[in-house]
Formats: sequence, C-alpha cells, structure tokens
Amino acid sequence: QSALTQPASVSGSPGQSITISCTGSSSDIGGYDYVSWYQQHPGKVPKLLLYDVNNRPSGVSNRFSGSKSGNTAALTISGLQAEDEADYYCSSYSRSNTRYLFGTGTKVTVL
Amino acid sequence: EVRLVESGGGLVKPGGSLRLSCAASGFSFNNAWMSWVRQAPGKRLEWVGLIKSKTDGGSTNYAAPVEGRFSISRDDSKNTVYLQMNSLKSEDTAFYYCTTEYCNNDRCYPPGFDPWGQGTLVTVSS
Repeated sequence: QSALTQPASVSGSPGQSITISCTGSSSDIGGYDYVSWYQQHPGKVPKLLLYDVNNRPSGVSNRFSGSKSGNTAALTISGLQAEDEADYYCSSYSRSNTRYLFGTGTKVTVL
Repeated sequence: EVRLVESGGGLVKPGGSLRLSCAASGFSFNNAWMSWVRQAPGKRLEWVGLIKSKTDGGSTNYAAPVEGRFSISRDDSKNTVYLQMNSLKSEDTAFYYCTTEYCNNDRCYPPGFDPWGQGTLVTVSS
C-alpha cells in the first residue's frame, strides 16, 4: 500500500463539526496507534495537528481531535472556522518497506 | 529558534543526479532522526526516507519508489542532513522537505513530524 485513503473533499458551515476519515490496513493504522494529522494551507509548510491518534502539540487548538477504529482513523474539527479551510493529511507508521505512509489528502472548504 | 533550511534544488535532466542539503539549528541535531518528505506540485505528501541518529545506529530507511536510487547521510559536525538523488525520473519532480520527529519531554512521536523546512523544488525534465 503506497498511500492511506482519504476523501478528496469535505465541507461544512462555520460553527459546524466535520470529520475526515483515513483508511489503511492492519499493517499500518490497524496495527499501531502511530497516527498523525497535518494541516497545510496553500503555499505553506504542513503543520502538525495531532500525534499518536489524539494528542495535540502545544499551541494546537482543542477544536481538533482524533480517533481510531480498526483500520480507520479520523480527524474531527469542531466549531469550524474560515481559517480551517486547508488541505489535511493523515500519516501512519507502517510495517511495510515504506516505514511511514501519508494519506491522499482532503480539501476542507468552509461554506 | 528551531530551524531547518533546505538547499540544492533545481532543474535536472532525467537520469541525472542532485544532492539536497538541510541545515538544522536550535535543537539537538545529533540525537534527531531526520526524514525527507516530498510533495509534487498540487499533489499529496510522500515520505521519502529517514536516517537515524548515530547513537541509534545511523541506519537509513527508504520508501519503495526511491529505494536504490536515493541515499540519505548526515554530518553531525555541520548539523546537516543530505539527500543524494540518482537516476532521477520525471515523477521525482516535487518540493522536498526536511523534517524531524516531534519530540516532547525526551520522547519522540513519529510519524509526527515537526518542524519542517521551507522546502526546495526539484524539477526533472529534459
């Protein structure tokens, strides 16, 4: 498997909550709690939002939360804001030859 | 301030070679596991490879698409990590980012990567 699967786009209105899924396999997401999430605004460097499924680095808003069930991880953004409009990527450790996998990416649009 | 600065990108012909550098500052580089991540314009992030710290053996791991063509090395005396890219293909065209594992309270959390460099663009075209 070369990439984790994410929906291409998700949208929501300000104040709503949205969830982005990230599906892998038992060799990556399903086998380990080593899932991270990133936010990337156009032309900018990726920003780490969550690590180890649901842990936030210092300075990241608590509106971002994560979960995992089986081979699928999820990122939830609550209280959606205009500044949340960006691309989001999941990442997982993999026991395949490719040690770390990224997701296909999800574009979040704030309506 | 923690900082990563990549250099060495540019235009190269298919089959050619290029070496990228990443200069680190503001953290304990010699203890850090360093990774390269690339992103083709308008496309997704793709992990390229990593090099462990010398204290952890200094070994390397690579993604399948670059295995055998790319190699990562480090010079701890210069706080610099390198990405040597050989037999370049058009599909290697991308921004190449240097990054390291996010660490907190002496524990690191891959694949949480933070910080990231600003990236350097590699274009493979005839």
